[in-house]
Amino acid sequence: QKEVEQNSGPLSVPEGAIASLNCTYSDRGSQSFFWYRQYSGKSPELIMFIYSNGDKEDGRFTAQLNKASQYVSLLIRDSQPSDSATYLCAVQQGTALIFGKGTTLSVSS
Amino acid sequence: DTAVSQTPKYLVTQMGNDKSIKCEQNLGHDTMYWYKQDSKKFLKIMFSYNNKELIINETVPNRFSPKSPDKAHLNLHINSLELGDSAVYFCASSGGASGGPTYEQYFGPGTRLTVT
Repeated sequence: QKEVEQNSGPLSVPEGAIASLNCTYSDRGSQSFFWYRQYSGKSPELIMFIYSNGDKEDGRFTAQLNKASQYVSLLIRDSQPSDSATYLCAVQQGTALIFGKGTTLSVSS
Repeated sequence: DTAVSQTPKYLVTQMGNDKSIKCEQNLGHDTMYWYKQDSKKFLKIMFSYNNKELIINETVPNRFSPKSPDKAHLNLHINSLELGDSAVYFCASSGGASGGPTYEQYFGPGTRLTVT
């Protein structure tokens, strides 16, 4: 059973801080990785995807991938209260996505 | 314009009934999916269709039957509903660029099914 592991949290950070979300995966052959944000009662919203080792930046978000260590992370700089949500890590398996159980982020003002 | 839409948004029904959820995408994507998100918020793949062909069929009771009349639509029919079927069901679609490595998926708003 291919697995994606995330710390369920909650991860609490003050406004303006950097939030660091981590994810590990079991399938060493995985190629593509995704971060989704899900607000309570809403559908998952794609934030970023990454498939090359290293960092990928998009605005306040940076995804980091280390295939040798089988982990993916998401950094959120200058965290805002509006970033408070559950962040889902997903790993591509064929054409499907295998999701972790999500990390709940709480940003306090 | 809504990219991936689902109807109904809420569905409350009694055990033993049969119900359907409809999904439509206007993104021109070839692949569509059904996911189930349980009360613990765990999101799990159920089915996937590519150009109307079933390509993923996870371990799901055969009371669940997906149907894709065309590549823009994927419906989910559930027979003999049980209490444990209560969940949020999300439809998603992806373009899966031919030969590309990534299948970014875009989700519909979800259908909250409550079985009483």
